[in-house]
Amino acid sequence: GAGVSQSPSNKVTEKGKDVELRCDPISGHTALYWYRQSLGQGLEFLIYFQGNSAPDKSGLPSDRFSAERTGGSVSTLTIQRTQQEDSAVYLCASSTHRQGGNEAFFGQGTRLTVV
Amino acid sequence: DQQVKQNSPSLSVQEGRISILNCDYTNSMFDYFLWYKKYPAEGPTFLISISSIKDKNEDGRFTVFLNKSAKHLSLHIVPSQPGDSAVYFCAASAYGQNFVFGPGTRLSVLP
Repeated sequence: GAGVSQSPSNKVTEKGKDVELRCDPISGHTALYWYRQSLGQGLEFLIYFQGNSAPDKSGLPSDRFSAERTGGSVSTLTIQRTQQEDSAVYLCASSTHRQGGNEAFFGQGTRLTVV
Repeated sequence: DQQVKQNSPSLSVQEGRISILNCDYTNSMFDYFLWYKKYPAEGPTFLISISSIKDKNEDGRFTVFLNKSAKHLSLHIVPSQPGDSAVYFCAASAYGQNFVFGPGTRLSVLP
């Protein structure tokens, strides 16, 4: 498809397990973002990839969270030893390199539930 | 400390009237602003944007106003329609950096 694709759409996992969330950005988009939205909350920035530059990891809430972007395209967000407070919708977005401003296009999100 | 604030968590408007959603920011480095609309169980969708070199951008029923001196922007929807009922997020960015989102305002347009 032409949009940002995220998988799985829903994930239920037991506390303490590791999970991997995948994002396929729009082809040609050099910037990729991960956000999460907890119940009733706004969009919380997690990590930002721009081309070959070092990613901006300033939003990652703990060292249990990590993300990779392979070949400048697909990204995987990994949460190790999941906790109940990790339950949220994880949203991925991509955009072209900003020169004067470009909007980011979001995927449908992955709803993560830690039980 | 929230860099992007939307002080109204919710707003109700009659169909056909104007909806005004407000957003304030603190970082003077922000130079690009966007509004996103989000329906339940869907990802946010881009609505309209404005660069800091402008003070107004219009797209159909949607107009965004930017007041840089007050670090304030607003989204006007005229006329409001029931299908506009959604959560609206304001976002801001500085060149080469991530987007910072506000907490959102839930708009309900009543028939």
